[in-house]
Amino acid sequence: AQTVTQSQPEMSVQEAETVTLSCTYDTSESDYYLFWYKQPPSRQMILVIRQEAYKQQNATENRFSVNFQKAAKSFSLKISDSQLGDAAMYFCAWASGSRLTFGEGTQLTVNP
Amino acid sequence: NAGVTQTPKFQVLKTGQSMTLQCAQDMNHEYMSWYRQDPGMGLRLIHYSVGAGITDQGEVPNGYNVSRSTTEDFPLRLLSAAPSQTSVYFCASSYDRRSGANVLTFGAGSRLTVL
Repeated sequence: AQTVTQSQPEMSVQEAETVTLSCTYDTSESDYYLFWYKQPPSRQMILVIRQEAYKQQNATENRFSVNFQKAAKSFSLKISDSQLGDAAMYFCAWASGSRLTFGEGTQLTVNP
Repeated sequence: NAGVTQTPKFQVLKTGQSMTLQCAQDMNHEYMSWYRQDPGMGLRLIHYSVGAGITDQGEVPNGYNVSRSTTEDFPLRLLSAAPSQTSVYFCASSYDRRSGANVLTFGAGSRLTVL
């Protein structure tokens, strides 16, 4: 079975600074997708970024980027120029087909 | 378009009571699923459906039933609620069940408390 591990239950960052959230996963499949989802206090699940495993280039969405290390099965999220609105729970997820396996989540606090 | 609509948003039950969480999507999505979210455990898949008339179990199916009589609706039934089912429940859907590239659209969640 696939597993996704987020080893940092809580992280904090100063506004305008950069923070990296860690994620590792375990799978025997070669074709899959990885995601980072954001869950603000409103509880809504919001897609932050998506990475196709067959692509070597790291995905980027504005201030959000990933460091995808396929051999190491690592998928970290970097948030640059952190803003107060980035404060949320962040979930890493793995998918082959539409079934997602989620990590435990990392609660990010942004300090003004 | 409304997207994925879940009702109710909040519910309190007594142990042994039954209830149904409703989920409806208006995007003609093939794939629909139910997750539960518990602190420190992320989201875990309960049941899913790849089309009308087809359902299957996820990671934590015990205590829950589902059916998919139409493309739009995917209700989750608790036949005899237990305190262990206290959780936040999310319904999610996507267009193509075959491709992981299709991003899930989530509902707003339903907080269930079982006393």
